[in-house]
Amino acid sequence: DQQVKQNSPSLSVQEGRISILNCDYTNSMFDYFLWYKKYPAEGPTFLISISSIKDKNEDGRFTVFLNKSAKHLSLHIVPSQPGDSAVYFCAAIEVLGNQGGKLIFGQGTELSVKP
Amino acid sequence: GAGVSQSPSNKVTEKGKDVELRCDPISGHTALYWYRQSLGQGLEFLIYFQGNSAPDKSGLPSDRFSAERTGGSVSTLTIQRTQQEDSAVYLCASSQGWDKETQYFGPGTRLLVL
Repeated sequence: DQQVKQNSPSLSVQEGRISILNCDYTNSMFDYFLWYKKYPAEGPTFLISISSIKDKNEDGRFTVFLNKSAKHLSLHIVPSQPGDSAVYFCAAIEVLGNQGGKLIFGQGTELSVKP
Repeated sequence: GAGVSQSPSNKVTEKGKDVELRCDPISGHTALYWYRQSLGQGLEFLIYFQGNSAPDKSGLPSDRFSAERTGGSVSTLTIQRTQQEDSAVYLCASSQGWDKETQYFGPGTRLLVL
C-alpha cells in the first residue's frame, strides 16, 4: 500500500515558467517531508524539507507547501531552468527505533524543462 | 569533502550466485541506510545501522539478504543465491544520526541478475 503518492509520472514545462510537482500521503503520523532530485546514474540529492509545524518553506527558486488537512504537499520551482530536468521524489520520514528515520518515497515525477 | 561512495558501480551476475555490495559513508556519519530502486517498485528501505547498535532489518525482503557494518563505518550488503527479481539499483545513504537529519546518497550499484 503506497503511503506516499506522486500521481503524475511526468511533467513538461517551458524554461522560465513555474514547475509544480505534487505529492499526497495517507499516514497522518508523518510529520516531516522532503524532496529529492535524481539525475540518471546518480543517487538522489536532497533539495528541500518541511516540518508539519510549517505550511511553507522556501530556498531560492524552490518552495515547498504543505497542506496537512489535505495530506498534500507540492514543490514549486520558479523560474524553471533546463538544468532542473530530472526525476523528483517526494518522501516522508517514518521514525525507526534507535533514532533512525527511514524515507518513504513516492514513485517520482520526471520533470522536463524545455528551452 | 568526500560523499558517500559505493562499489561496484555495476554488477552482472548469474542466478544463484552470491553478490556483495559495498558502501563507504561520509566520514563522521553515524547512521547508514540501504535502499533499493526496482523497476516498477520505486525506492524502498532495506536496512538501517546506527553506530554500533543492532541494525533495523525490517525492510529486508528475504533471508537471502544480509548486511553488516564494520567498525561503525563501511557497510556490506550481501545477497545470497541471487534471483532475477533482485535486479535493481542498490543505494546507500548516510546521515549524522537523528531521524530528521538529511540523508546523503551514494551513486548506487546497478545489479543485473541473468
